[in-house]
Parts: sequence; C-alpha cells; structure tokens
Amino acid sequence: DAGVIQSPRHEVTEMGQEVTLRCKPISGHDYLFWYRQTMMRGLELLIYFNNNVPIDDSGMPEDRFSAKMPNASFSTLKIQPSEPRDSAVYFCASKPSAVSTDTQYFGPGTRLTVL
Amino acid sequence: AQSVTQLGSHVSVSEGALVLLRCNYSSSVPPYLFWYVQYPNQGLQLLLKYTSAATLVKGINGFEAEFKKSETSFHLTKLSAHMSDAAEYFCAVSSRSGTYKYIFGTGTRLKVLA
Repeated sequence: DAGVIQSPRHEVTEMGQEVTLRCKPISGHDYLFWYRQTMMRGLELLIYFNNNVPIDDSGMPEDRFSAKMPNASFSTLKIQPSEPRDSAVYFCASKPSAVSTDTQYFGPGTRLTVL
Repeated sequence: AQSVTQLGSHVSVSEGALVLLRCNYSSSVPPYLFWYVQYPNQGLQLLLKYTSAATLVKGINGFEAEFKKSETSFHLTKLSAHMSDAAEYFCAVSSRSGTYKYIFGTGTRLKVLA
C-alpha cells in the first residue's frame, strides 16, 4: 500500500496567490482529514470528510480556505488568496471506517511558505 | 470538552536511559488515547493506542503506555532509548461518541544524547 499521498511536498508562493494542496487517501478508507501544523498552534483539524461529504469544517480558519473531495481517491485544500500567516505544514490523513478506535494514517505533509 | 496536556515540550535522555513522556487528558468519560511519533520532515505515525481492552498498551519500537484513570494519564515509556528515537511525540484523545476527531497535545520533542 502506498499510504496517503500528498502533493506538492513543498510550496513557496507570494501573498495573494492561490494555493492548492492535493491528497490521495488510502484506497478503501471512508474518512479523510485535513490538518495544519504550526509552531504557535500545534496540530489543528481543519475539516474532515466521510464518503466524500464534508462533515465538520469548524476548524477552517476563514473563507479564504476551502476543501473539496470530488471522489473517493482525491481531495484538495485551496487557499485563495494566500497570506503569510498561512505558512505551515498541512497534513492529510485517512481512516478506514466509522469505528472510533480506527487509526488515522497521515501523509508526509505539504510545507507551505507564503512570502 | 476534551483536552490533552503534554508536560515538557523538550525532553533529553542519554542513549540507553529510560524514556518517559507525559500525557494527561481531560474528559467526562474515559476516551480513546493515542501516541503518534513524527520524525523530521515526515508525517505522523501511530505508536500505540488505548481502546479500553487493556490498560497497559504495547506499541512499536519498544514503546508502551499505561492508562491510569485515577490519574487521567497515559504516559509513554521506553526502557532504553536509542538514537533513532529522536523525534517529536504527540498524544491525542478521541471521543467514544463517534465524532472521529482527534485532539492533539502540543507535542514533546525527544532528544537522545550519545
């Protein structure tokens, strides 16, 4: 199994530009999570999906952030327009099922730098 | 509301020494608890998890953790540290109610000294 795949691994952009981060979950996993990691705030859950449907987006910081999951094997997190304070590592994770004890499997992350 | 506290953002131990990383949780009912490890420039990897089957949980790489309800703790231990254990460790709590959300602690960076 290839695990959770994220692209790009690194992204450097200028303030005001649109940024799109991509995630391919593990095949057969019903849940997908987007996290953000910063020194100041640690690991924060932004949004999660069940069977491609957004369930809880209460962690999305503001309207500049949006996430989609058009099918079971692909999700995007978009920031438009980007700001320097969005600089962080963004992780995608997937989980097999609705069982609460299921492990979440994390991707390698995308390191975003907004200049 | 659930929360998790990791005492000590940085811990240093000598190679071969005992590793103890502390995690305390706050929850109205005993939650599910997880320890993850993050190596530099990598994603998080599960070390072990408590799902109420047994209070002493053994994980990968020689790590174990004990769930103590009376102390609301889930400390991570390893008898003998190895240089390869140097990483950041995160404790997380998940509700039994099925929200599927993890609440992560702030992490503890472990340094292993030769």
